[in-house]
Amino acid sequence: AQSVTQPDIHITVSEGASLELRCNYSYGATPYLFWYVQSPGQGLQLLLKYFSGDTLVQGIKGFEAEFKRSQSSFNLRKPSVHWSDAAEYFCAVGPGRHGNKLVFGAGTILRVKS
Amino acid sequence: DVKVTQSSRYLVKRTGEKVFLECVQDMDHENMFWYRQDPGLGLRLIYFSYDVKMKEKGDIPEGYSVSREKKERFSLILESASTNQTSMYLCASGPSLDRGGQYFGPGTRLTVT
Repeated sequence: AQSVTQPDIHITVSEGASLELRCNYSYGATPYLFWYVQSPGQGLQLLLKYFSGDTLVQGIKGFEAEFKRSQSSFNLRKPSVHWSDAAEYFCAVGPGRHGNKLVFGAGTILRVKS
Repeated sequence: DVKVTQSSRYLVKRTGEKVFLECVQDMDHENMFWYRQDPGLGLRLIYFSYDVKMKEKGDIPEGYSVSREKKERFSLILESASTNQTSMYLCASGPSLDRGGQYFGPGTRLTVT
């Protein structure tokens, strides 16, 4: 069965520091992988996605993620965090049996200290 | 830009009431989804629909039903609300192609008292 693990429930980084959020997945075939961000009280916004090809993908807001098949990982990175990046981040894997059905991780809450 | 709207941002209902949550998307997407979000549990899929009048159960369908009479509208129904259904409900839509990802509405925070 598909599953996604985000090992860190909370992460705190200083503004301007680099960031890496971890995501490990379990999937029987080549996965489609996604990172979403959720600001307080809002819905989820798609940051980036991986389907095939270059294993380093660029997204919005200066984020990137790297797909490592050997480690079943899809970690999200940002070289310099801004206070506005404070939010909850979700990793997701698909597709499911129908179209783009996704399985989500439990999320990582990012706090940014000034 | 894709727009997914939900009928209410906040809703308070009493135990036993029938509750309707409405979701509308404007991108002609085939797929629509209802999730509930609870702290520490991430998003859990309640139901999804891959075509008008078509639906499939997700991971936690008990206590819920859905309706999709038009392509742009997907409704979640709580037949008899209970306190354990207090949660954030998120609607999403996406194209039928696997690569499309999903686009989310702002969510409805439902409190059942």
